[in-house]
Amino acid sequence: NAGVTQTPKFQVLKTGQSMTLQCAQDMNHEYMSWYRQDPGMGLRLIHYSVGAGITDQGEVPNGYNVSRSTTEDFPLRLLSAAPSQTSVYFCASRDGDVPFGNTEAFFGQGTRLTVV
Amino acid sequence: GENVEQHPSTLSVQEGDSAVIKCTYSDSASNYFPWYKQELGKRPQLIIDIRSNVGEKKDQRIAVTLNKTAKHFSLHITETQPEDSAVYFCAASIGGTYKYIFGTGTRLKVLA
Repeated sequence: NAGVTQTPKFQVLKTGQSMTLQCAQDMNHEYMSWYRQDPGMGLRLIHYSVGAGITDQGEVPNGYNVSRSTTEDFPLRLLSAAPSQTSVYFCASRDGDVPFGNTEAFFGQGTRLTVV
Repeated sequence: GENVEQHPSTLSVQEGDSAVIKCTYSDSASNYFPWYKQELGKRPQLIIDIRSNVGEKKDQRIAVTLNKTAKHFSLHITETQPEDSAVYFCAASIGGTYKYIFGTGTRLKVLA
């Protein structure tokens, strides 16, 4: 049981390049999310998904696309990288809502992205 | 929109003292409030959580209190140890959605 796995761990892109950050979980969780972490700004939600085929925008979705074709995978695509997208990206997954409330989110190890 | 405010941004305490971190939230429909600890270069990990039907929860040296009327919740760490040094994030579920909104984090330093 690997939990939430992100690849790559580190990436350097040139402005205008595109790339996909991979995220996979083996816990059969319904909910998956992408966050970016910047100094002094905490974790900000980019996109999230409540199940295969269903995605929605978070707080800072511009410049990013997602899809959820399977329960296990939730890739994040940067369409045309900009220096403002330099950040640490975390994928998280959690079980669907249980009786009496929400559930713990499990995070991947993060991807440190630098756009030059 | 909904937001979560967290204070202080940095906190230094002597080993053995207590540390308190406070968060306020804006959405009265929020019903789940987790706290995450993130060590340097690592992923955030859940340390304790509380649901809206409970006012206080304790797990060894860590406790969380919730005041629904005032819309704030706090993390209390007693008998702090150097390994408690990390960044701590609070979060709140956004009522009616599946989203969690995070606070901006508190860097806790425990001085030996």
